[in-house]
Amino acid sequence: DAGVIQSPRHEVTEMGQEVTLRCKPISGHNSLFWYRQTMMRGLELLIYFNNNVPIDDSGMPEDRFSAKMPNASFSTLKIQPSEPRDSAVYFCASGRSGTDTQYFGPGTRLTVL
Amino acid sequence: QQQVKQSPQSLIVQKGGISIINCAYENTAFDYFPWYQQFPGKGPALLIAIRPDVSEKKEGRFTISFNKSAKQFSLHIMDSQPGDSATYFCAASTTPGTASKLTFGTGTRLQVTL
Repeated sequence: DAGVIQSPRHEVTEMGQEVTLRCKPISGHNSLFWYRQTMMRGLELLIYFNNNVPIDDSGMPEDRFSAKMPNASFSTLKIQPSEPRDSAVYFCASGRSGTDTQYFGPGTRLTVL
Repeated sequence: QQQVKQSPQSLIVQKGGISIINCAYENTAFDYFPWYQQFPGKGPALLIAIRPDVSEKKEGRFTISFNKSAKQFSLHIMDSQPGDSATYFCAASTTPGTASKLTFGTGTRLQVTL
């Protein structure tokens, strides 16, 4: 199995620009999670989907952040406009109902200048 | 509000020693407690997990001890090896079996020296 795939692996952008992070979950998994990791705040859950439907987006910091899951094999996290405080590593994870484990992707390191 | 408190932030252990990481939780509805291991540049990966119906779970050199009344659980790494050097996160969930929402601790950076 290829595991969770995230792209890009690194993104450097300037303040005010739109950033789109992409995730392909493991085939057959029906839950998908977006996390943000920083030194100050650790691992924070931003949003999670079950069967492509957003279940809990209470962790999304503000309206600048949006996430979509148009089908079972693709999700995006968009930041518009980006700010320097959005600099972090963003992880996507997937899992399957009936099991407990979340499988994390390699992450996208975002730097906003 | 921090629902899962983890300590210490960092830990240095000599090769062959025992590494101990502690977590405490507040939400009594939590009933699934995994530990994740993260190497630099990688995503976290499940290491071991426990449910509150048992007080201890062991897998190789890794053991979780669980104290329901104290609302605490800990990870013990026996015979620590340099390859164990990583960041460890405890977590908790209220709905096991659904790959659902995990609340993570702040992480412990473990360094095992020769």
